[in-house]
Amino acid sequence: QKEVEQNSGPLSVPEGAIASLNCTYSDRGSQSFFWYRQYSGKSPELIMFIYSNGDKEDGRFTAQLNKASQYVSLLIRDSQPSDSATYLCAVRSGSGNTGKLIFGQGTTLQVKP
Amino acid sequence: DAMVIQNPRYQVTQFGKPVTLSCSQTLNHNVMYWYQQKSSQAPKLLFHYYDKDFNNEADTPDNFQSRRPNTSFCFLDIRSPGLGDAAMYLCATSRDRATDTQYFGPGTRLTVL
Repeated sequence: QKEVEQNSGPLSVPEGAIASLNCTYSDRGSQSFFWYRQYSGKSPELIMFIYSNGDKEDGRFTAQLNKASQYVSLLIRDSQPSDSATYLCAVRSGSGNTGKLIFGQGTTLQVKP
Repeated sequence: DAMVIQNPRYQVTQFGKPVTLSCSQTLNHNVMYWYQQKSSQAPKLLFHYYDKDFNNEADTPDNFQSRRPNTSFCFLDIRSPGLGDAAMYLCATSRDRATDTQYFGPGTRLTVL
C-alpha cells in the first residue's frame, strides 16, 4: 500500500463546476497536510495546508481533513481553465522530527471551457 | 521577487559526466531539501540539510551528493549520471522542519545523453 494515494485521473470538469480531489494516507500519526498545484513542466506551488479536522477555506479553495478516516480532500469552486494542472497531496510524517513530506502521485485536473 | 532560485533551469550532460545543480534562497530558511521528480511521478526526497546537518534518505544512491557551504546556497552533485537520472530536480526550503511549509524553486530539468 502506498503511503499517500491519489487517483491519477484525469478528472475532467466543465468551467464553473466544483472539482473535488481526494487523497488518502496510511500513517495515522500524520499531523500536517498540504495541497500543491503543479503545472506541466513547472515546480509545485503551495495552495493550502491544513492541520486540524474539518474544513479550511481560502478563496475558491477548500481543504477538508478527516483524520479518523485518514483522508484529505481539496474542493475547487467555480473551476477555471487556468486551474487545469496536476494537484499533489503531501503529508508530513508523524514520526521523527525531519519534516519529511510524503507526496502522492498527483491528480490531473482538466477544466473544459 | 524570486525567493528560491535554481540554476541552471535546463541541464544536458553526457552519460557518466559529473554534473552540479545549484539552489539559492533569499528567505534565510534553515532547511533546504532536494527532490527528484520523474515524469508523472511524485517528488521523491533525496536528502536535506537542517542548517549544516546533512540528512540522507536511506534509498538515495551514493551517486548523489550534496553540499551546503552557507545558509543561502545548496548544491546537488551527480557523480556519474546514468540515463535513469534524467528528471526534474527540485530544491525546496522551509524555516523549520517539523512545523513549517516547504517552498519550491522552479526546478532544473536534467537530460542525460
